[in-house]
Amino acid sequence: KQEVTQIPAALSVPEGENLVLNCSFTDSAIYNLQWFRQDPGKGLTSLLLIQSSQREQTSGRLNASLDKSSGRSTLYIAASQPGDSATYLCAVSGGTSYGKLTFGQGTILTVHP
Amino acid sequence: SQTIHQWPATLVQPVGSPLSLECTVEGTSNPNLYWYRQAAGRGLQLLFYSVGIGQISSEVPQNLSASRPQDRQFILSSKKLLLSDSGFYLCAWRGGTGSYNEQFFGPGTRLTVL
Repeated sequence: KQEVTQIPAALSVPEGENLVLNCSFTDSAIYNLQWFRQDPGKGLTSLLLIQSSQREQTSGRLNASLDKSSGRSTLYIAASQPGDSATYLCAVSGGTSYGKLTFGQGTILTVHP
Repeated sequence: SQTIHQWPATLVQPVGSPLSLECTVEGTSNPNLYWYRQAAGRGLQLLFYSVGIGQISSEVPQNLSASRPQDRQFILSSKKLLLSDSGFYLCAWRGGTGSYNEQFFGPGTRLTVL
């Protein structure tokens, strides 16, 4: 059974810092890994999708890497801003082709001015 | 562009009452559809998924059921709600072809069972 772990559970940083969020998964047989952002009381916003054959994806100040063999992914946020404050969730899809996602518990990020 | 809708946005129901949550997707055909629940302290859990009209797969035994009466409509139901059914219910869709497609989520329904 796939298990996804995110470290740290919470992170508080001053504005402008570069930061790294970590995600690990137990079964390396995945189709893709997706990073999401969730604001309080809201749905999930997809940030980045990394296919299993890819090593990284970039969107603006965000960069996600994937090391499938070691079961790890990192989300790098450059020059953090207060608007980046949210919960960040990592999810993997694998085992079948139905796209079922297994989620980590999330990292609560607070960026203070 | 594709859009996913969920309603109602919030719902407060007494124990033992029925439930019907609706999800619709616009701008795509033959999507894979999913129902997830986010409960406090338990993370996001997949409840049901559907790869086509009338095709429903359940991931965990529970007090809930799902139906897909139309290609872009997904309904989550219960005949009698339990306190443990409280949570944030999220509907999601993914392109129906290929194993690598990105998954997109709706705005969610907050259900409180009293």
